Amino acid sequence: DAGVTQSPTHLIKTRGQQVTLRCSPKSGHDTVSWYQQALGQGPQFIFQYYEEEERQRGNFPDRFSGHQFPNYSSELNVNALLLGDSALYLCASSFPSGGLETQYFGPGTRLLVL
Amino acid sequence: QKEVEQDPGPLSVPEGAIVSLNCTYSNSAFQYFMWYRQYSRKGPELLMYTYSSGNKEDGRFTAQVDKSSKYISLFIRDSQPSDSATYLCAMSAGANSKLTFGKGITLSVRP
Repeated sequence: DAGVTQSPTHLIKTRGQQVTLRCSPKSGHDTVSWYQQALGQGPQFIFQYYEEEERQRGNFPDRFSGHQFPNYSSELNVNALLLGDSALYLCASSFPSGGLETQYFGPGTRLLVL
Repeated sequence: QKEVEQDPGPLSVPEGAIVSLNCTYSNSAFQYFMWYRQYSRKGPELLMYTYSSGNKEDGRFTAQVDKSSKYISLFIRDSQPSDSATYLCAMSAGANSKLTFGKGITLSVRP
């Protein structure tokens, strides 16, 4: 079992550009959550996807959008990048009946905005 | 005031020491309490998960929750150099709801 996988591992972009990050959930998991972790901070919830719908959303602007595919994989898109978007982006997967105890995090994508 | 406050670090202890990590919270809706360990350049890994007030033990780790005081703790006994990592407390209002994390504390266990 590969666990939660994320791609790419690292990414460098410039201000104003757009970026797409990808996540494949752990086998058997159908719920995907995305978090942003700035340097020296705890992760902050961006949104959660279940059955291809955004189920919950954190306090992030509309520049952050996402998608879940029928195979449960997910994408996080960020438009009009700002320097402050530089962070580690974490994907976590779980299955609803298992709750938070079943949630696994991926290794993250480290995004640097110049 | 942040919803979750975690004791600032970093923390350095000798091998074999007992470590106490603490978080306080302000949101009474939080019902689920977790501790995660995060190694450098890795994602967080779930260490302890508790729902009710009281203590939960797993090997060298003990999680303590006091809902009346809105205070949670993680104790690590006989700390090892391999315990050196960042420890994050996290809380949630529902079994499938978003997690709210503390800032994290970096622990270093000296051989």
